[in-house]
Amino acid sequence: EADIYQTPRYLVIGTGKKITLECSQTMGHDKMYWYQQDPGMELHLIHYSYGVNSTEKGDLSSESTVSRIRTEHFPLTLESARPSHTSQYLCASSVRTGGILEEKLFFGSGTQLSVL
Amino acid sequence: KQEVTQIPAALSVPEGENLVLNCSFTDSAIYNLQWFRQDPGKGLTSLLLIQSSQREQTSGRLNASLDKSSGRSTLYIAASQPGDSATYLCAVAGTALIFGKGTTLSVSS
Repeated sequence: EADIYQTPRYLVIGTGKKITLECSQTMGHDKMYWYQQDPGMELHLIHYSYGVNSTEKGDLSSESTVSRIRTEHFPLTLESARPSHTSQYLCASSVRTGGILEEKLFFGSGTQLSVL
Repeated sequence: KQEVTQIPAALSVPEGENLVLNCSFTDSAIYNLQWFRQDPGKGLTSLLLIQSSQREQTSGRLNASLDKSSGRSTLYIAASQPGDSATYLCAVAGTALIFGKGTTLSVSS
């Protein structure tokens, strides 16, 4: 099983602040993801990465940015937080179980962000 | 565009009951389907992954089935326990990984 860690677990911050949500995995997975989830709603993919120096935007447009300088690290940054960014942010990594697109996902515990 | 629907949205059962959670999807061109468990305020834990070529997978008291042609998957939980209380999500992998909204299960002792 993958070990994937997210910090902080909870974050309450004022409007306009710059924040970075950390995500690290120790299993050497190439592909990593960021999902956003509002209460009672489905997960929406906001960013993903195929590997070092690769970043792609997901299905849901987001004002956040990501970077992938090291395989194990995939931080998400909001330059200027707003109340509309209040949500749970989940990081995941994946390993191939078969063909190219047959991937099993492993999730971190999430960061619950509240912007006042 | 792939859409994933989970029914029911919420389910309450007494301990010991066998139960079935349903997941339907609109596009049968999928590579796999994965069931997850999510505890309140936490991340997701993978329960079962069914490849597109498989019809079912079992893990302990859990059994997941897949019928691609009808666009359906079920998660069967045998002899439910209070510790099974959580939200169960299915996710379908096609050109993208699409999640359903989940079924929130409550098992009372």
